[in-house]
Amino acid sequence: QVQLVQSGSELKKPGSSVKVSCKASGGAFSSYSFSWVRQAPGQGLEWMGGIIPVLSTSDYAQKFQGRVTITTDESTRTAYLELSSLRSEDTALYYCACDILTGHFMGRFWGQGTLVTVSS
Amino acid sequence: EIVLTQSPGTLSLSPGERATLSCRASQSVSSRYLAWYQQKPGQAPRLLIYDTSIRAAGIPERLSGSGSGTNFTLTISRLEPEDFAVYYCQQYGTSPPYSFGQGTKLEIK
Repeated sequence: QVQLVQSGSELKKPGSSVKVSCKASGGAFSSYSFSWVRQAPGQGLEWMGGIIPVLSTSDYAQKFQGRVTITTDESTRTAYLELSSLRSEDTALYYCACDILTGHFMGRFWGQGTLVTVSS
Repeated sequence: EIVLTQSPGTLSLSPGERATLSCRASQSVSSRYLAWYQQKPGQAPRLLIYDTSIRAAGIPERLSGSGSGTNFTLTISRLEPEDFAVYYCQQYGTSPPYSFGQGTKLEIK
């Protein structure tokens, strides 16, 4: 069974960067397609970007272009989301999600979420 | 960019009733690559349906998905108490962003 375990909560100052990790277990890492999705307090889901490790390809929502970087480390089976130039509007719960069957950026499995708070 | 609009925003029904949730896309969704998720308070979303009509593992048969092009529907034939939650659709077929709808809250009447 696939399981995604994310890193803990972060408190960051405006203008700084944050890097959130997502460690995957179960299944062949080569079959994973990861997405990062965020949810602001009381709001809906927002797709930020994704990566397919075996293809070394990543896609990003244009809204976050230039501020977001998604990477993976196959040796530790971990995906990372780095978001820079943080502002208060980036305060949200950040989820990693993955699929292992279709190669598409949809969330068959989800991590528990990482709360990122941006405040001075 | 494809914009997904879900309706209604809130649906008030009683256990045992039938629920019909709508998701409309601003342009055609490629190859019917449309998914539905359920989210309960304090929990991560849970995949219910993918590729428009395929139930994910462990999802009961009373949930079904249908549609094509720009119009998609999630139907719950007989509501159980555990079905009351927020539901999101997502398209993942056309170029990014692989957007979500704004959600439909299904509440107990």
